[in-house]
Amino acid sequence: SQQGEEDPQALSIQEGENATMNCSYKTSINNLQWYRQNSGRGLVHLILIRSNEREKHSGRLRVTLDTSKKSSSLLITASRAADTASYFCATLTYNQGGKLIFGQGTELSVKP
Amino acid sequence: KAGVTQTPRYLIKTRGQQVTLSCSPISGHRSVSWYQQTPGQGLQFLFEYFSETQRNKGNFPGRFSGRQFSNSRSEMNVSTLELGDSALYLCASSVQTPPNNEQFFGPGTRLTVL
Repeated sequence: SQQGEEDPQALSIQEGENATMNCSYKTSINNLQWYRQNSGRGLVHLILIRSNEREKHSGRLRVTLDTSKKSSSLLITASRAADTASYFCATLTYNQGGKLIFGQGTELSVKP
Repeated sequence: KAGVTQTPRYLIKTRGQQVTLSCSPISGHRSVSWYQQTPGQGLQFLFEYFSETQRNKGNFPGRFSGRQFSNSRSEMNVSTLELGDSALYLCASSVQTPPNNEQFFGPGTRLTVL
């Protein structure tokens, strides 16, 4: 079963624009992670934000977490064609070891 | 450091057969998890192993099983294959049992059941 939902399901933008993806989840979490997947290949870890953190940056990525609303957002600034991929949020809940629960993903298309 | 490797990368089987998939974690990583990805159900957790012990199991039928060896390599087995088992099977490794550990994913094994 999926922990949450991602919004939008698909996003198409021009190179240089910013892309924002949102993720909502249902239960209390230990941390939330964002992954990228290119064309049905393996997942690449982008960033992890702990439940006691509100914002985190990594290069062109900015992640926010609002535990009161059970939601997170991923912002990719100055997007590039190479950012075209599917993006997934995944949550890790307490006492569940390494069991990640993934959202359905957002398909991002960046047009040159 | 070499990444997570999965073999085979592609597999075609027929209904009723069984299949074994292999995952070699990053050197030094002791935790291995498996996920199934399908267009309909998305990414779903199968199981997690740490030091040869299954620590967590997802909601899959008993036809799905796994194990981990002393060198941390892991295998998963699916018996009596069904058409619905067609999927991308991903494994991920981390240094130790999460939380707060980044999990590194392999390229996946794409299983097609005919």
